[in-house]
Amino acid sequence: AQSVTQLGSHVSVSEGALVLLRCNYSSSVPPYLFWYVQYPNQGLQLLLKYTSAATLVKGINGFEAEFKKSETSFHLTKPSAHMSDAAEYFCAVSDPRRRGSNYQLIWGAGTKLIIKP
Amino acid sequence: GAVVSQHPSRVICKSGTSVKIECRSLDFQATTMFWYRQFPKQSLMLMATSNEGSKATYEQGVEKDKFLINHASLTLSTLTVTSAHPEDSSFYICSARQGEHNEQFFGPGTRLTVL
Repeated sequence: AQSVTQLGSHVSVSEGALVLLRCNYSSSVPPYLFWYVQYPNQGLQLLLKYTSAATLVKGINGFEAEFKKSETSFHLTKPSAHMSDAAEYFCAVSDPRRRGSNYQLIWGAGTKLIIKP
Repeated sequence: GAVVSQHPSRVICKSGTSVKIECRSLDFQATTMFWYRQFPKQSLMLMATSNEGSKATYEQGVEKDKFLINHASLTLSTLTVTSAHPEDSSFYICSARQGEHNEQFFGPGTRLTVL
């Protein structure tokens, strides 16, 4: 069975510092991987996704993530944090063998990113 | 990108009343939509998978008679919270699956407060 682990329920960084949010997955095959962002009282927005093409994926708002099969990781990074990046970030995984089915995404518990002035 | 709307964004109701939440895919057809519930400072909890033209699939522990789901068209799914009680107060979010990679596009959410 697939699972997703996000290390750290809260991550605090200073404005301008590097952002690193960790995501590790468990899957018998290389999965599709996603990062979503949720601002307070809003739905989720897709930041970026890995779908077996380039291992380094660039997303919106300056975020990027690198798929590392050997480490079963898909960590999210941003070189320089901005106050507007403060939000909840969710990592999710899906099984590429199950296209077109009702298969739902498997979600991590989320990491709240706090930006210090 | 794919846009999903949700209505209403906020609702306050009295205990015992029923509340209907609508989820619409605005620029694509969605055969599959999902309903989530989110408690404060917690992750998403999948409630049910809504399939156009068929019965919804509910997750374990979710009462199907309490949370009625109807997916009557390829662009609309509704969630009705029947006989709402204060413990039903929560943030409800819908999403629609689109594309070959199973990604989901989310509505803005509905904040339900039951007095």
